[in-house]
Amino acid sequence: GAGVSQSPSNKVTEKGKDVELRCDPISGHTALYWYRQRLGQGLEFLIYFQGNSAPDKSGLPSDRFSAERTGESVSTLTIQRTQQEDSAVYLCASSPSGLASYEQYFGPGTRLTVT
Amino acid sequence: RKEVEQDPGPFNVPEGATVAFNCTYSNSASQSFFWYRQDCRKEPKLLMSVYSSGNEDGRFTAQLNRASQYISLLIRDSKLSDSATYLCVVNMGTALIFGKGTTLSVSS
Repeated sequence: GAGVSQSPSNKVTEKGKDVELRCDPISGHTALYWYRQRLGQGLEFLIYFQGNSAPDKSGLPSDRFSAERTGESVSTLTIQRTQQEDSAVYLCASSPSGLASYEQYFGPGTRLTVT
Repeated sequence: RKEVEQDPGPFNVPEGATVAFNCTYSNSASQSFFWYRQDCRKEPKLLMSVYSSGNEDGRFTAQLNRASQYISLLIRDSKLSDSATYLCVVNMGTALIFGKGTTLSVSS
């Protein structure tokens, strides 16, 4: 079946512009996660959605970052007034459940470059 | 202290070698443990979960020591295709906390 998809695959933007990244999770997966991976670094948790519960935003690095999810489907991550340090690969993952033991399935990521 | 720490490597080994990766985690309340594999410029994929009793999947063996807050991965009879970055991952309820990964390069 279809895996997690993300768009765009690559995005180059000028400093100060806003960007919107999209994630389509695997159908039926109630949990959705956003991570950031800077070059040569590990993954950083950004935000977590589980069903209709309030999202866990504890990983968002600043108020320039926000995310939304419509029900149990598409999610968008928005970065306002982008800075060069926002350059990274943004990875989305989904899981059948938010339970700790479940595997997370990752999308291919969006590579964001802020010039 | 970082939440999940790994030796970054790289580990350069010949085909057929046995190689072991170690990982420590700081939060004793951690609930689940995993090893993920990430190929260059690709997304992470689950390699195996790690259970307290230890578990094996073919050439891969994972061990967990909750008292020492230590996780290991052993790869036997290394293949060229094992070359990748291996990520130690800990789940403390919702998000996964990733180590920075250990890079393995297997050569012929």
